[in-house]
Amino acid sequence: DIQMTQSPSTLSASVGDRVNITCRASQSISVWLAWYQQKPGKAPKLLISKASNLKSGVPERFSGSGSGTVFTLTIDRLRPEDLATYYCQQYNRATWTFGPGTKVEIK
Amino acid sequence: EAELVESGGGLVQPGGSLRLSCTASGFIFSNYEMNWVRQAAGKTLEWVSYISTSGNNIYYADSVKGRFTISRDNAKKSVYLQINSLRAEDAAVYYCVRDGMDVWGIGTTVTVSS
Repeated sequence: DIQMTQSPSTLSASVGDRVNITCRASQSISVWLAWYQQKPGKAPKLLISKASNLKSGVPERFSGSGSGTVFTLTIDRLRPEDLATYYCQQYNRATWTFGPGTKVEIK
Repeated sequence: EAELVESGGGLVQPGGSLRLSCTASGFIFSNYEMNWVRQAAGKTLEWVSYISTSGNNIYYADSVKGRFTISRDNAKKSVYLQINSLRAEDAAVYYCVRDGMDVWGIGTTVTVSS
């Protein structure tokens, strides 16, 4: 099974900051990686698929990069509404695996 | 607008059974593979099961294999998850998810307690 890790587990940043979240896969998944934003009590919301494809309607402050085993989600100009937990997910195989999540807090 | 609505969750004793349903609207359901994903309180997301458009191909997470059964009825635009032999660790919010991961239901909560 493909395992996913994320770092950091918690991130505290100020409004306007640029933040980076790293996701690592235990084996190569090419670009079959998605990023989600989840707010408390809500379903996850897809932000990015295929490592760097921004979903329509998602602010361009969000971007993704990487391939193989290392991926990054970048949030430029952090806004208060970005307070959430962010998950990466591999879908290289029919069986999906999610990372443990990164909680983004606003200072 | 594409939408998924789950139902069927509730409080069940260990060893009990439940049937979760997910009904689609706003898109051609029969064209999409479907998945179930669950999330225990305070935990990350866990993929549970996948079903192809025709229902001929099905996959399960090892943690539920032999106890959960996924099925679909394209005429009713619905996908189902039969959950048997419930364990405490099955307690979670269960989401149905359209393949492509862009449409998630609001979730239905399964609580396991005696």
